Amino acid sequence: EVQLVESGGGLVQPGGSLRLSCVASGFTFSGYWMSWVRQAPGKGLEWVANIKEDGSEKYHVDSVKGRFPISRDNAKNSLFLQMNSLRAEDTAVYYCARARGYCRTASCYFYLDYWGQGTLVTVSS
Amino acid sequence: QSVLTQPPSVSAAPGQKVTISCSGSSSNIGNNYVSWYQQLPGTAPKLLIYDNNKRPSGIPDRFSGSKSGTSATLGITGLQTGDEADYYCGTWDSTLSAVVFGGGTKLTVL
Repeated sequence: EVQLVESGGGLVQPGGSLRLSCVASGFTFSGYWMSWVRQAPGKGLEWVANIKEDGSEKYHVDSVKGRFPISRDNAKNSLFLQMNSLRAEDTAVYYCARARGYCRTASCYFYLDYWGQGTLVTVSS
Repeated sequence: QSVLTQPPSVSAAPGQKVTISCSGSSSNIGNNYVSWYQQLPGTAPKLLIYDNNKRPSGIPDRFSGSKSGTSATLGITGLQTGDEADYYCGTWDSTLSAVVFGGGTKLTVL
């Protein structure tokens, strides 16, 4: 059974940092792209970042580029999101998801077939 | 403002059929596959449809997907009260180099 378990959320002041983790089980973690998706309270889904199976390719939404680097440790079946310079508008539930797909020269193709339960990040003074 | 446009809400009676539209452009839906996600209240999203019209194992055939040009549609037949949820379309946007989602559609089964 595929399981994705996020942790690391919490309350942080504006300008602060948090590191989210996602531990995967039930599949060969190193064989899949992985994603982070967030959902602000009462709002819709917003994709945050993707990382290739071996970590060699990464994509981020413009609003977090340079602030939220995505990374992974295949030896530990773990996905990470280092969240720096946090802003109030980053307040959301952050979901880890397994991504099916690929990127080629002209474009990428992804869908998210398994999701974790999410971890809440609240940015407030 | 989402890149993909969905109606905020739809409703229908139990047993009836409903469709949810998702409108985009040539940089996203027009040249990429569409997926659909169901989010029941208080839970994480769940994949319903991928590659425009394919259902993952365990998803009943009451759920269907289609795509034409720069728009996609999710169809749900034989509506049940348990189908009340938020539904999101998603795809890759080649101009933004990003996964994009619709704003979500809240389904009410009256």
